[in-house]
Amino acid sequence: QVQLQESGPGLVKPSQTLSLTCTVSGYSISSGISYWSWIRQPAGKGLEWIGRIYTSGSTKYIPSLKSRVTISVDTSKNQFSLKLFSVTAADTAVYYCAREGPGMGLFDYWGQGTLVTVSS
Amino acid sequence: QSVLTQPPSASGTPGQRVTISCSGSSSNIGTNYVYWYQQLPGMAPKLLIYGKNQRPSGVPDRFSGSKSGTSASLAISGLRSEDEADYYCATWDDSLSGPVVFGGGTKLTVL
Repeated sequence: QVQLQESGPGLVKPSQTLSLTCTVSGYSISSGISYWSWIRQPAGKGLEWIGRIYTSGSTKYIPSLKSRVTISVDTSKNQFSLKLFSVTAADTAVYYCAREGPGMGLFDYWGQGTLVTVSS
Repeated sequence: QSVLTQPPSASGTPGQRVTISCSGSSSNIGTNYVYWYQQLPGMAPKLLIYGKNQRPSGVPDRFSGSKSGTSASLAISGLRSEDEADYYCATWDDSLSGPVVFGGGTKLTVL
């Protein structure tokens, strides 16, 4: 059974870097037929796709966040990570990691989500 | 403002059939598959519909999806109280360098 679990600080100060890791179990992240994505959801609002990484290391980000985000993968730990730089209160949200594919936008397994609050 | 437009709310009584619409454009819904997700309160979204009206294992056949031109719809027949949730459509957009785009979500209330 495929499971994803987000981890990382729940509180980040403005202008600092938000760092989250997603640990995948029950499936090898390097199997090569899936993408690995991050999605966020501000309280009471809709879903926003942040970006994805393929096991080759190639990435794709939403244009509005492209200058502030990096997604990386560690196949040895079966993990992938999100870094969002220079955060503001607008980045406060529940962050989900998800397995994507074979179609773009097809998220078949999700983590439970982790709330990250940006506040001093 | 979401790239895909959904009504903010919908409602129905138990046993009824309800539909939720998702409107886009030729660069997203018009050329790509549309996926539907159900999000129960406090939970992560769950994939409901993918491909050409396919359902993952465990999703009842009361849920069905369709697409016509630049719009898509999710239909729920035999409405049940446990269907009360937020529903999101999603696809990817060729004109925006291919990001995944979501609708704003529709809150379904079972009266």
